[in-house]
Amino acid sequence: QVQLVQSGAEVRIPGASVEVSCRASGYSFTEYVIHWVRQAPGQGLEWIGWVNPPSGTTLYTQRFQGRVTMTRDTTTTTAFMELNSLTSDETAIYYCVRENGHTGIFDYWGQGTLVSVSS
Amino acid sequence: QSVLTQPPSVSGAPGQRVTISCTGDSSNIGARYDVHWYQQVPGTAPKLLIYNDNRRPSGVPDRFSGSKSGTSASLAITGLQAEDEADYYCQTYDRSLNDHLFGTGTTVTVL
Repeated sequence: QVQLVQSGAEVRIPGASVEVSCRASGYSFTEYVIHWVRQAPGQGLEWIGWVNPPSGTTLYTQRFQGRVTMTRDTTTTTAFMELNSLTSDETAIYYCVRENGHTGIFDYWGQGTLVSVSS
Repeated sequence: QSVLTQPPSVSGAPGQRVTISCTGDSSNIGARYDVHWYQQVPGTAPKLLIYNDNRRPSGVPDRFSGSKSGTSASLAITGLQAEDEADYYCQTYDRSLNDHLFGTGTTVTVL
């Protein structure tokens, strides 16, 4: 069965960086785009960007450009998201999500990784 | 930042029907991009509930249905059950922003 298993919770101070990983299994990793979405406590869902596993091509929403880097390792079927210059209001759960084909449908979600940013 | 507006909350008694609206504009829903809906039970990851405006993934009860017209979409839940208490989000693509957008989210409460 399709699974996206994310790395564990992280704690960072403001200004630091964090990398979250997402290991995919149960399907052909290079055939589906991986997106990253975050959710601050008590808030809604915010789309961050995507990485296309076969090529490594990425696209980020404008507000994160210059601060986020999405990569992938096809040998370990793992996607990564690094976010730099963290601020305290970026405490959130970060999800990796599989897009079904190129349809915009987010059909499988990771369990989420809590990133806490506090001094 | 979302330009997809949903009501913050809706409620209904068990067995009743509730609807959730998702209002966009000519760059997203009005541009005929498909709308998808997700259900998020507190403390868990979102789950795909409706895709391509009105299609249900395998395993989703037919109590859930979706529709779209103009610059808005709707999710209906008929025969409301206690297990339907959750947050619901619409999602689509915006060609002006070149972004995937989520709605502001709606909390469904079963009275």
